[in-house]
Amino acid sequence: GENVEQHPSTLSVQEGDSAVIKCTYSDSASNYFPWYKQELGKRPQLIIDIRSNVGEKKDQRIAVTLNKTAKHFSLHITETQPEDSAVYFCAAGRPGGYQKVTFGIGTKLQVIP
Amino acid sequence: NAGVTQTPKFRVLKTGQSMTLLCAQDMNHEYMYWYRQDPGMGLRLIHYSVGEGTTAKGEVPDGYNVSRLKKQNFLLGLESAAPSQTSVYFCASTEVGNEQFFGPGTRLTVL
Repeated sequence: GENVEQHPSTLSVQEGDSAVIKCTYSDSASNYFPWYKQELGKRPQLIIDIRSNVGEKKDQRIAVTLNKTAKHFSLHITETQPEDSAVYFCAAGRPGGYQKVTFGIGTKLQVIP
Repeated sequence: NAGVTQTPKFRVLKTGQSMTLLCAQDMNHEYMYWYRQDPGMGLRLIHYSVGEGTTAKGEVPDGYNVSRLKKQNFLLGLESAAPSQTSVYFCASTEVGNEQFFGPGTRLTVL
């Protein structure tokens, strides 16, 4: 099955700096890579996703890059704000049929004002 | 629309007791999932369903059973609770290949 490794497990940045979270996956057939944000005591919510037919996707201050050859993908947050403080999860998989996505262990991001 | 709802929100059990967690979604999604979340372990899939009447095992299925008798509901059962099942349980639903929508979670403590 799919194995997703995520690092770092914790990350502290100054407000306004950039944050980068990296994930690697093992199944070369995986074609869907979502990122979820979970605020303290809340449910995970999708913030951005990318499919294997593109190498980069942006949404305002958030971007995700995918390197299929190396089987890794990254989340980039620019101009970080205190409200970006949360746990971020990457995931990888082949949704459809009995396929599913596998989550990384999460990165706790702290943005220091 | 309520989205994905879970009941109960909190529960304390004694070792050996049983309980059922209920997940309901009103988005007509085919796929539903049960995860457990433990510190440092991320979200681990317990069981999932790709449609009414179907279920499949995930990464950590032992000690849990599920049923999907109606499309909108996905039940997670613990037959004989153990302290190792102390966790936060999340239900999620999706259409194929798209965003998973999570419920608010159930915090379960087994003494």
